[in-house]
Amino acid sequence: ILNVEQSPQSLHVQEGDSTNFTCSFPSSNFYALHWYRWETAKSPEALFVMTLNGDEKKKGRISATLNTKEGYSYLYIKGSQPEDSATYLCAFAGTASKLTFGTGTRLQVTL
Amino acid sequence: DTAVSQTPKYLVTQMGNDKSIKCEQNLGHDTMYWYKQDSKKFLKIMFSYNNKELIINETVPNRFSPKSPDKAHLNLHINSLELGDSAVYFCASSPTLAGMGNEQFFGPGTRLTVL
Repeated sequence: ILNVEQSPQSLHVQEGDSTNFTCSFPSSNFYALHWYRWETAKSPEALFVMTLNGDEKKKGRISATLNTKEGYSYLYIKGSQPEDSATYLCAFAGTASKLTFGTGTRLQVTL
Repeated sequence: DTAVSQTPKYLVTQMGNDKSIKCEQNLGHDTMYWYKQDSKKFLKIMFSYNNKELIINETVPNRFSPKSPDKAHLNLHINSLELGDSAVYFCASSPTLAGMGNEQFFGPGTRLTVL
């Protein structure tokens, strides 16, 4: 059983705050690490897919880093806005074909 | 244009019935998946097809049978529905295998309620 853990489970920040979450995964048999954004009543949408140790990806105010040797990835949101409120999922690929999802970090951004 | 579509969106049925959920993607992807969102909101892989060939079959009761008539479709048939089958089922697709760096595109989900 693969352990993909995310912390914190939930987070409540004020508009303008910067925040970050952690995804921990097995450090062996690494193929890829995905991040998805999941708004309530919608479907998960891909943010980033990272495959190389040391990868850093950025999309607007959101960025992610990857350390495959120690088995973690960080997702950063700079200057949080209410529209960033969602659940952020990471998913680990320990084989070419299968993703194992974490339980997510639920972010709420208030004015 | 909807990239990954599922029908129906809601399905309410009695215990013991047989039902199907359909999934279609118009992205030209080779790989398709079925996930179950459990009561803790956790996404669990059930099945995956690559080029119409079954490549992932997790520990799922035999009552669940996927069928891929072509690369654009992956349907899920469930026999003898049980109360514990109540969940949201998500279909997804990716250009090729997700572990090869391909993001997944998810359908809107089908909320199944078994009474």
